Amino acid sequence: GENVEQHPSTLSVQEGDSAVIKCTYSDSASNYFPWYKQELGKGPQLIIDIRSNVGEKKDQRIAVTLNKTAKHFSLHITETQPEDSAVYFCAASTGAGNMLTFGGGTRLMVKP
Amino acid sequence: GAVVSQHPSRVICKSGTSVKIECRSLDFQATTMFWYRQFPKKSLMLMATSNEGSKATYEQGVEKDKFLINHASLTLSTLTVTSAHPEDSSFYICSASLPGTAYGYTFGSGTRLTVV
Repeated sequence: GENVEQHPSTLSVQEGDSAVIKCTYSDSASNYFPWYKQELGKGPQLIIDIRSNVGEKKDQRIAVTLNKTAKHFSLHITETQPEDSAVYFCAASTGAGNMLTFGGGTRLMVKP
Repeated sequence: GAVVSQHPSRVICKSGTSVKIECRSLDFQATTMFWYRQFPKKSLMLMATSNEGSKATYEQGVEKDKFLINHASLTLSTLTVTSAHPEDSSFYICSASLPGTAYGYTFGSGTRLTVV
């Protein structure tokens, strides 16, 4: 089955700096890679996703890159703000209707 | 957007009792729903996948007789934790795959179960 590794497990940055979280996956059949933000006591919220036919996607301060050959994808957050502090999860799937496999999570702390 | 409403958000029960958690898709029909369990400071672990009108498919190591999943309609899936014990205390989250799209999932807000 799919295995998703996520690094780092914790990340502390100064407000305004950039944050990068990296994930690797094992199943070459995976073709959908979402990123979720989870705040304490809440369910995951999708922040950005990418499909395997695209190498990069950007939405304002958030971007995701995908390297299918190397089987890794990354989340980039620029101009971080204190409200970006949360736990971020990457995930991989072979498509809707199939299970999502999550990475271990990254606790991001943005210091004002 | 597609919303999954999960209830209750928090529940405390006594050991030996059963607890039911509901997930309702409010504005779409959820053919497939997923149930996850999350321990403190850990990732989401898939427990089972349920398709409307079919028996749920459980992941290895998940006791199907303990975690009963019912997906009898396209808008409601339930997880019942039977004969709960303190080790069942956890955060349970449901998710539905979005219809009409090749990709995409929406998550419930989670249920914090505490067994005392």
